[in-house]
Amino acid sequence: EAGVTQFPSHSVIEKGQTVTLRCDPISGHDNLYWYRRVMGKEIKFLLHFVKESKQDESGMPNNRFLAERTGGTYSTLKVQPAELEDSGVYFCASSRNIRSYEQYFGPGTRLTVT
Amino acid sequence: ILNVEQSPQSLHVQEGDSTNFTCSFPSSNFYALHWYRWETAKSPEALFVMTLNGDEKKKGRISATLNTKEGYSYLYIKGSQPEDSATYLCAFISPDTGRRALTFGSGTRLQVQP
Repeated sequence: EAGVTQFPSHSVIEKGQTVTLRCDPISGHDNLYWYRRVMGKEIKFLLHFVKESKQDESGMPNNRFLAERTGGTYSTLKVQPAELEDSGVYFCASSRNIRSYEQYFGPGTRLTVT
Repeated sequence: ILNVEQSPQSLHVQEGDSTNFTCSFPSSNFYALHWYRWETAKSPEALFVMTLNGDEKKKGRISATLNTKEGYSYLYIKGSQPEDSATYLCAFISPDTGRRALTFGSGTRLQVQP
C-alpha cells in the first residue's frame, strides 16, 4: 500500500507569488489533514477534510490560504500571495475514517519564501 | 488552548545508553495520545497510539507508558543505537466531537553517538 505522497518536496518562491502544494492520501482514506511546522516550532494543525467536505478549518491562519479536495481524493493547498512568515514544512496526513486514531503522514513540502 | 509539553528539548547519549523522554498534556480533557518518530525530510513515523490510563506499549527496544489522570506519557528507548537518532514527537487529541486535529509538542531531538 502506497503511503501519503506530497508534491513538490521543496519549493522556493518570492514574496507575493503563489504556490500550490499537493497531497495524495492513502487510497481509501476519507480523512485528510494539513499541518505545518514553521521556524522550528511545533507542528500545527491547519484543517481537516472528510471526503470533499471541510470538517474543521480552525487552524487556517488567514484568507491567503485556500485548501480544496475536489472529488474527495487528492487535496491542494494554495498560498496566495505568499509572505515570508509562510516559510516552513507543510505536512499532509490521512486516516481511514473518523473513528481511526492513526494518522499517516507524508514527507512534507518544504516551502521557502524569499 | 491545549498545551503539550515535551522534555528534554534535546538529548545526546552514547550508543548502548537507555533513555527516556516526557510528554505532558491536559489531563482533564483526554481522548488519545500519539508518539511519532521523525527524521528531517522524511514522513513522521507512527510509533504508538495510546488511549487508556495505564497503557503500556512496546515496539522492539522502544516502549511507552500513559498516565491520563496526571497527564503524562513516557517514551523509553533501551540500548540506544545511532539509527535511533531522530526527533520524537508526541501529539494529543481532545474528545471534542468531530475534531481529530493533533496538537503536537515541540519534540525531543535525540542524538546517539556511536
